[in-house]
Amino acid sequence: GQQLNQSPQSMFIQEGEDVSMNCTSSSIFNTWLWYKQDPGEGPVLLIALYKAGELTSNGRLTAQFGITRKDSFLNISASIPSDVGIYFCAGDTGGYQKVTFGTGTKLQVIP
Amino acid sequence: KAGVTQTPRYLIKTRGQQVTLSCSPISGHRSVSWYQQTPGQGLQFLFEYFSETQRNKGNFPGRFSGRQFSNSRSEMNVSTLELGDSALYLCASSPWGGSNQPQHFGDGTRLSIL
Repeated sequence: GQQLNQSPQSMFIQEGEDVSMNCTSSSIFNTWLWYKQDPGEGPVLLIALYKAGELTSNGRLTAQFGITRKDSFLNISASIPSDVGIYFCAGDTGGYQKVTFGTGTKLQVIP
Repeated sequence: KAGVTQTPRYLIKTRGQQVTLSCSPISGHRSVSWYQQTPGQGLQFLFEYFSETQRNKGNFPGRFSGRQFSNSRSEMNVSTLELGDSALYLCASSPWGGSNQPQHFGDGTRLSIL
């Protein structure tokens, strides 16, 4: 089946630093999604990408849909304590909700 | 606009029992998907329902089943519970499940098997 390799698995950063994480796939995706999950809650959508090469920002977050359609990255600029959580990438091959999730990147921000 | 509601939030069962989890999607959303989340395996897709019909199914044994009602509310059932079924079960909804429609997640039901 499809696999999404997400890296890094975890990271500790200083408040104010920039963060970068990425996802690679063995398959082509039509849609890339980035979610954040806070402890005790469900994932919340951060950014959705629908076209190869697309670069989209949401405040301090920026994500890109790779040209090959097999990868995506998420950048967070000037991190703050509330950025703590688990970030998931997800890819959709089309059809009805055939979504595959990455294993997540756990982000810790040191004040 | 109310979000996706899952009940109960926490559940403790013993091996061999069965359990039913409930999910109420966002009003107007007709596609409901279920996921199992564990520390080792991440988010694993269980199944997706639309208009009371299961459209997609993940690689889980037949002990995991679901259904959807005419008001789009969905239930998930797990029979003959095993220790490995301990997990956070997440429900997500979208208007009609198209690939350009990101899902909205509930806060999950945490199931613990003793």
